Amino acid sequence: AQRVTQVQPTGSSQWGEEVTLDCSYETSEYFYRIFWYRQLFSGEMVFLIYQPSFDTQNQRSGRYSVVFQKSFKSISLVISASQPEDSGTYFCALSAPGSWQLIFGSGTQLTVMP
Amino acid sequence: ETAVFQTPNYHVTQVGNEVSFNCKQTLGHDTMYWYKQDSKKLLKIMFSYNNKQLIVNETVPRRFSPQSSDKAHLNLRIKSVEPEDSAVYLCASSLTGRVIPEQFFGPGTRLTVL
Repeated sequence: AQRVTQVQPTGSSQWGEEVTLDCSYETSEYFYRIFWYRQLFSGEMVFLIYQPSFDTQNQRSGRYSVVFQKSFKSISLVISASQPEDSGTYFCALSAPGSWQLIFGSGTQLTVMP
Repeated sequence: ETAVFQTPNYHVTQVGNEVSFNCKQTLGHDTMYWYKQDSKKLLKIMFSYNNKQLIVNETVPRRFSPQSSDKAHLNLRIKSVEPEDSAVYLCASSLTGRVIPEQFFGPGTRLTVL
């Protein structure tokens, strides 16, 4: 069975601070993929960053990066220099061979104060 | 414009009625998905479909069925709605073999069952 856990339902930061959002997962697959998405208040889902399990290097994309700890089955999203526009709900998602369907965590609602 | 389009944006109906939601993607993708997001923002996969395979999440009630005319369309039909079907339904698509295999999401259809 596959499962994704995000234990922080909410988070906050001040403008310019670095933010870390945590995610852990369960899977018995050797090869899998982890994605981070942000859901805007409008409901739109925006893709942020992708980490394949075969790559031990932490991925980066603009102000987003991940800390991938494969042996602990955890992956954190790091947002550098956070801005109020970064506010929204952040979802971690796992997919595995076969269907490649996304299994989502429960999300972390982030508020960045001006 | 290339994207994932969903209609309608909102739908209000009564228990027992049949409803149908449309999803179309103009991204040239080969796989489409339906997710359900409940009032607590929990996202769950319902179906994934490409031209070879339909995968149904085992927890999806039988009153839900996907309908596809071609790889650019995947509609969702609910035969006899129940109150617990009130949710936002998100359609997504992806392309097999992309270096970054993220799913692209539509804006969602909000269903309210009275």
